[in-house]
Amino acid sequence: GIQVEQSPPDLILQEGANSTLRCNFSDSVNNLQWFHQNPWGQLINLFYIPSGTKQNGRLSATTVATERYSLLYISSSQTTDSGVYFCAVPYSGGGADGLTFGKGTHLIIQP
Amino acid sequence: GAGVSQSPSNKVTEKGKDVELRCDPISGHTALYWYRQSLGQGLEFLIYFQGNSAPDKSGLPSDRFSAERTGGSVSTLTIQRTQQEDSAVYLCASSLRQGAFSPLHFGNGTRLTVT
Repeated sequence: GIQVEQSPPDLILQEGANSTLRCNFSDSVNNLQWFHQNPWGQLINLFYIPSGTKQNGRLSATTVATERYSLLYISSSQTTDSGVYFCAVPYSGGGADGLTFGKGTHLIIQP
Repeated sequence: GAGVSQSPSNKVTEKGKDVELRCDPISGHTALYWYRQSLGQGLEFLIYFQGNSAPDKSGLPSDRFSAERTGGSVSTLTIQRTQQEDSAVYLCASSLRQGAFSPLHFGNGTRLTVT
């Protein structure tokens, strides 16, 4: 199956800072999703982004499928942004199966 | 319902007992997934349903684990003869279409503790 690597594994920032999280994957995919797991364990789907760029408020994501990476940007960080950010791609790349997740980036936003 | 619903939210059981975890997906979602997350770890894929059938059972850790889905809706994950290493949060997710072609929506999970 496809391998997913996320970086950095941990990130500590002050409130108001900007950050970029990276997701590399080992083979071609036709789908990629970003999730946020808050400190209470709830997983929220942030973006469904097989290619191109999407924005949602202070968050945006870009996937360059041909180069096998995706980036998640968080601007003007708030303490509520803390948690673990996961990217996920289809197991076999094609989409007709489950998603495999990276190990995540653990983000801590300090007041 | 408004979201994916899982029950119970917490389950403590003795080693060797069987447990049943329930997932009620978002209405109209045809695909349903079970994942497991151990403390501080990422998500481990267990099984995926499209409708009532499970084309991919490769993620089930052992034959003590089984899952079924009836009526294209509610799913049950059963763990027989639980072991301490089964302790984890079991997460269910659903999506509108087959496989990974649409966003996944997760429930709040069932935290299983095997003593």
